[in-house]
Amino acid sequence: NAGVMQNPRHLVRRRGQEARLRCSPMKGHSHVYWYRQLPEEGLKFMVYLQKENIIDESGMPKERFSAEFPKEGPSILRIQQVVRGDSAAYFCASSPRSVGTEAFFGQGTRLTVV
Amino acid sequence: KNEVEQSPQNLTAQEGEFITINCSYSVGISALHWLQQHPGGGIVSLFMLSSGKKKHGRLIATINIQEKHSSLHITASHPRDSAVYICAVRSDRFAWEYGNKLVFGAGTILRVKS
Repeated sequence: NAGVMQNPRHLVRRRGQEARLRCSPMKGHSHVYWYRQLPEEGLKFMVYLQKENIIDESGMPKERFSAEFPKEGPSILRIQQVVRGDSAAYFCASSPRSVGTEAFFGQGTRLTVV
Repeated sequence: KNEVEQSPQNLTAQEGEFITINCSYSVGISALHWLQQHPGGGIVSLFMLSSGKKKHGRLIATINIQEKHSSLHITASHPRDSAVYICAVRSDRFAWEYGNKLVFGAGTILRVKS
């Protein structure tokens, strides 16, 4: 059973380009969480998704950021028109049900905006 | 004031020393996690606690719900224990609805010298 898989591991984008970060949860997990770790800062919650539903997006910036978790395929975190301040490590975690379970994290995607 | 506070921020120890990292939180919680992150690496879940004490190898985690405090202990520390240790809590507010959404401490940077 592979763990939470994120790709790419490293992503370099020029200012104004789009960044797409992918997260494949562990097998049997239907809950996905995205977290962002800015340089020299702690992890912050961004969004919580279940299959085809956004449950809580209270941590998402209001503009340029979107997330989805389709019925088939990985969860995608999309950042449009990236700026230097978007440079960070983005982590995905998954769980099999909503409460009472361990947090399983991916290796993260390190986004660098140049 | 952050909802989750960790101390110390930085810790340097000699190989073999007993290490304690502390975590205090100000919200009601349904679970507390201790996580480990190596430089440039992913995040590994060490423990999930809702009460009492857990032990895994040289690692021990305790939690006192009444005092809203948890500690992570490392016995016989080794240079390979060098990492960032992160405390994270799952609020008990709307826990059933908001799943495993975590609030993180800033992390403790541990360096164990040989």
